[in-house]
Amino acid sequence: QQQVKQSPQSLIVQKGGISIINCAYENTAFDYFPWYQQFPGKGPALLIAIRPDVSEKKEGRFTISFNKSAKQFSLHIMDSQPGDSATYFCAASLRQGGKLIFGQGTELSVKP
Amino acid sequence: DAGVIQSPRHEVTEMGQEVTLRCKPISGHDYLFWYRQTMMRGLELLIYFNNNVPIDDSGMPEDRFSAKMPNASFSTLKIQPSEPRDSAVYFCASSLYPGIYGYTFGSGTRLTVV
Repeated sequence: QQQVKQSPQSLIVQKGGISIINCAYENTAFDYFPWYQQFPGKGPALLIAIRPDVSEKKEGRFTISFNKSAKQFSLHIMDSQPGDSATYFCAASLRQGGKLIFGQGTELSVKP
Repeated sequence: DAGVIQSPRHEVTEMGQEVTLRCKPISGHDYLFWYRQTMMRGLELLIYFNNNVPIDDSGMPEDRFSAKMPNASFSTLKIQPSEPRDSAVYFCASSLYPGIYGYTFGSGTRLTVV
């Protein structure tokens, strides 16, 4: 019940296209859902986060869509650029909890 | 703030040797986390501290691994004796409040045990 399942494992998108990464969770008590971006040789960095009281959050080209009833959330990268090529992790946490539960990661490659 | 600082960035050691990884969290962050990242297993939580106290060490692989946080500005992860299967990137992360602000990760230590 503590797991967060992420798909796909890898994704190739053409420049200018939309990248979509999906995550699903079981624990309905989770109430904080961040996405992290990791470049080679670097630590993961917080990209964008959402709480279950909203269905969508947008920051620039990055949008999180949240479906509480389906217990799913997804990251959409609009107008994908080669510089977006990285590994993306979704995560979930309890507001009162002390740790994030991470998905398995998605390696995104944006082709010029 | 300089962020979460880890040292060394790279460590190559022989099997059986002791390895110590170091972490300085962001000042004021009450939570500190140690993660291990491998291709096969992704990001694994090893242990985390709150106010210098270990809260959850269920991810520590075995007795060869130990972690300490003697004060709010320093933590170590020790492997003794090291084995080739310990080769991975080890990340330290800190947070003011994970369920509200998420984590800030360090740049990691790439450990190679030969």
